[in-house]
Amino acid sequence: ELKVEQNPLFLSMQEGKNYTIYCNYSTTSDRLYWYRQDPGKSLESLFVLLSNGAVKQEGRLMASLDTKARLSTLHITAAVHDLSATYFCAVVSGGGADGLTFGKGTHLIIQP
Amino acid sequence: KAGVTQTPRYLIKTRGQQVTLSCSPISGHRSVSWYQQTPGQGLQFLFEYFSETQRNKGNFPGRFSGRQFSNSRSEMNVSTLELGDSALYLCASSFGGGRNTEAFFGQGTRLTVV
Repeated sequence: ELKVEQNPLFLSMQEGKNYTIYCNYSTTSDRLYWYRQDPGKSLESLFVLLSNGAVKQEGRLMASLDTKARLSTLHITAAVHDLSATYFCAVVSGGGADGLTFGKGTHLIIQP
Repeated sequence: KAGVTQTPRYLIKTRGQQVTLSCSPISGHRSVSWYQQTPGQGLQFLFEYFSETQRNKGNFPGRFSGRQFSNSRSEMNVSTLELGDSALYLCASSFGGGRNTEAFFGQGTRLTVV
């Protein structure tokens, strides 16, 4: 059974600081996603990572994937208040099907 | 282009009733997946449909069922509702067919069972 673990689950940080969210998964997968969710809203796609060593950046967020370690990171650079949200990583189990297994999410609060 | 559309957005039902939720995927997408989100269990995969066939199923009781139509629209049905079925139900669409593309989520249907 595929398991996805995120840490930390809660993170309070100050604007301007850097931090990293970690996502470990238990079995081989060919796709890893990062999503953002604001309170009461749906999931917004941030990154899709498809291969070992993949790195993608959008603004202050950068995601990377190490398939050998079964680890993905989401790095936040010089955080701003607007990045406050819950961040989820999700992994596809493979076999051609598209169902996602999600981590529990990281609730990020960025204080001015 | 239009995104993933879920209807209704909000629903209140009584225990024992049944409910049907609808999801219209992005045009051209053939895969629709359904997820349940609760504060306690987080986001859990229900099932995935591709070209009218269920390809994958999560660990939910048989009260949860779904189907997909030839236009890729999907419905999810929950029978004999329980209080614990109160949740945000999200559907996601993607191209599917083994293509490594993004899954886009709809706004969700918030179901409250009283």
